[in-house]
Amino acid sequence: EVQLVESGGGLVQPGGSLRLSCAASGVTFSSHWMSWVRQAPGKGLEWVANIKEDGSEKFYVDSVKGRFTISRDNAKKSVYLQMNSLRAEDTAVYYCARYYYGSGSYDYWGQGTLVTVSS
Amino acid sequence: DIQMTQSPSSLSASVGDRVTITCRASQSIGSYLNWYQQKPGIAPKLLIYGASSLQSGVPSRFSGSGSGTDFTVTISSLQPEDFATYYCQQGYSTPATFGQGTKVEIK
Repeated sequence: EVQLVESGGGLVQPGGSLRLSCAASGVTFSSHWMSWVRQAPGKGLEWVANIKEDGSEKFYVDSVKGRFTISRDNAKKSVYLQMNSLRAEDTAVYYCARYYYGSGSYDYWGQGTLVTVSS
Repeated sequence: DIQMTQSPSSLSASVGDRVTITCRASQSIGSYLNWYQQKPGIAPKLLIYGASSLQSGVPSRFSGSGSGTDFTVTISSLQPEDFATYYCQQGYSTPATFGQGTKVEIK
């Protein structure tokens, strides 16, 4: 059974930093793209970033470019999201998801971790 | 960016009803359309990928159709566990974009 478990969320002041982690099990981690998707309170879903199987390609939504960095460690079966210069509008539940390249879908999701940016 | 528009934004239905949700893309996306179900406080769950392929483990009362710009997901006979919010998502180009969601409520 595929399991994705996020950690690292919390309360941070505007301008601060946070690093999210996502640990995978039950999956051949190094064979799949991975993604982060977020959901602001009471709002819809927003894709944040993707990373290729070997980490050689990364893509970001415009609103986080230059502030967020996605990375992965295939030996640890983990994907990370380094978030810098956080803003109030980054407040959301952040989900780690496995990206299925063939259909552009997200077929497995973690339980999510809440990031709150507030003074 | 490709805009995804769902209709309706919400609907009320009874157990056993046939329910259809529509998703329209701002440009052609072929069959790169996926549907998700989300219940409060829980991560989204992939229901349908590639416009019409049922994800493993998803009940056969769910079906998807469409191509190009217009897509639908249909629940043939609504069950109590189907009351949730449904999102479409295009996987045709980056950035991936989602519809605003359709909340299916109990009538």
